Amino acid sequence: AQTVTQSQPEMSVQEAETVTLSCTYDTSESDYYLFWYKQPPSRQMILVIRQEAYKQQNATENRFSVNFQKAAKSFSLKISDSQLGDAAMYFCAYRRNTGNQFYFGTGTSLTVIP
Amino acid sequence: DAGVIQSPRHEVTEMGQEVTLRCKPISGHDYLFWYRQTMMRGLELLIYFNNNVPIDDSGMPEDRFSAKMPNASFSTLKIQPSEPRDSAVYFCASTHYYRGTGELFFGEGSRLTVL
Repeated sequence: AQTVTQSQPEMSVQEAETVTLSCTYDTSESDYYLFWYKQPPSRQMILVIRQEAYKQQNATENRFSVNFQKAAKSFSLKISDSQLGDAAMYFCAYRRNTGNQFYFGTGTSLTVIP
Repeated sequence: DAGVIQSPRHEVTEMGQEVTLRCKPISGHDYLFWYRQTMMRGLELLIYFNNNVPIDDSGMPEDRFSAKMPNASFSTLKIQPSEPRDSAVYFCASTHYYRGTGELFFGEGSRLTVL
């Protein structure tokens, strides 16, 4: 069964600094998607970044980038130049292509210190 | 393009009452998911539909919970009778299997409080 593990329940970062959130997953499939979602206090789930497993290049979206290590089944999120608005719960998610099922990690709560 | 629309945003009810949560997925999406989020259990998948047909309801906690999708633009999640332990945020999400970028689009959630 697919599982997604976020081993850091809480993280903190100074404003303008860089922080990396960890995510590992377990799968026997070769084709899948990985996502990072952000959930601010408003509770809306917002897509931050996505990665397709067949693409070797790491995805980037402005200040957000990932380090995708397929062999190690690792998918970490790097936030550069952290801003107060980045404070939120971050969820790592895996989507299998067969059956279109999604699996979520338990989340990492990020605090940004002014 | 409108996103996933859920109603109500907040619901406070008393134990034993029936609760109905509603969801309108994004037009053209063929998959619809219902999730429950609590501090203790995190984000739990309750049930998901493909082309209005329930595919996996193994996450539905017990017979008090039921979900329907009578057409491609509407789904309900019903709890009858409700209990205090059902208090949570319930999310509806939709996606299209082949088109788009593969991610789930979430509604704003319905916060349920059962007294």
